[in-house]
Amino acid sequence: QKEVEQNSGPLSVPEGAIASLNCTYSDRVSQSFFWYRQYSGKSPELIMSIYSNGDKEDGRFTAQLNKASQYVSLLIRDSQPSDSATYLCAVCTGRRALTFGSGTRLQVQP
Amino acid sequence: DADVTQTPRNRITKTGKRIMLECSQTKGHDRMYWYRQDPGLGLRLIYYSFDVKDINKGEISDGYSVSRQAQAKFSLSLESAIPNQTALYFCATSDLGFGSYNEQFFGPGTRLTVL
Repeated sequence: QKEVEQNSGPLSVPEGAIASLNCTYSDRVSQSFFWYRQYSGKSPELIMSIYSNGDKEDGRFTAQLNKASQYVSLLIRDSQPSDSATYLCAVCTGRRALTFGSGTRLQVQP
Repeated sequence: DADVTQTPRNRITKTGKRIMLECSQTKGHDRMYWYRQDPGLGLRLIYYSFDVKDINKGEISDGYSVSRQAQAKFSLSLESAIPNQTALYFCATSDLGFGSYNEQFFGPGTRLTVL
């Protein structure tokens, strides 16, 4: 089992819809969780971080964390074609470096 | 100016050559990392450094070495490049300070091709 798992997609949603991206992780003592957006050929860009159970909202983005289920998700409201990218989930445990999932490709159809 | 810079941005080399990729940062962060990215495999950690005197192997360190010349500089070397080291290489930094949660910030990447 991979340490951080994501569905590779592509996840296709129409413009204006809510995109829901999911991630599960295997290490129960993981402490911090991140979502990165990566456009093709570009570097990952941090868009959300979450450390406590529950929801965290920032603009059109909401991160949700459930440590009991070892599950973290990212919701993108009012999806735009410019949101089309690969979204990477990353998990940090203690002093370790981040462990990344392989990413979910999101396509927003105009 | 970019906070994390990488040089070169693109490099084509031949099997057996020694290659050095350089990373510099102006963010004042203590921690620096090298990752490689291959299609469908996500980001994999090669080496990381928590300060100048602290170097740690990641999950795929074989065939690579690093040097932390200063807080702001972290170099990755391929002593004898081989074709399966063809990939996109990223440097990243994070803060060790109180209240930080290890958010990492990435450089623009180096596309390396080994023929």
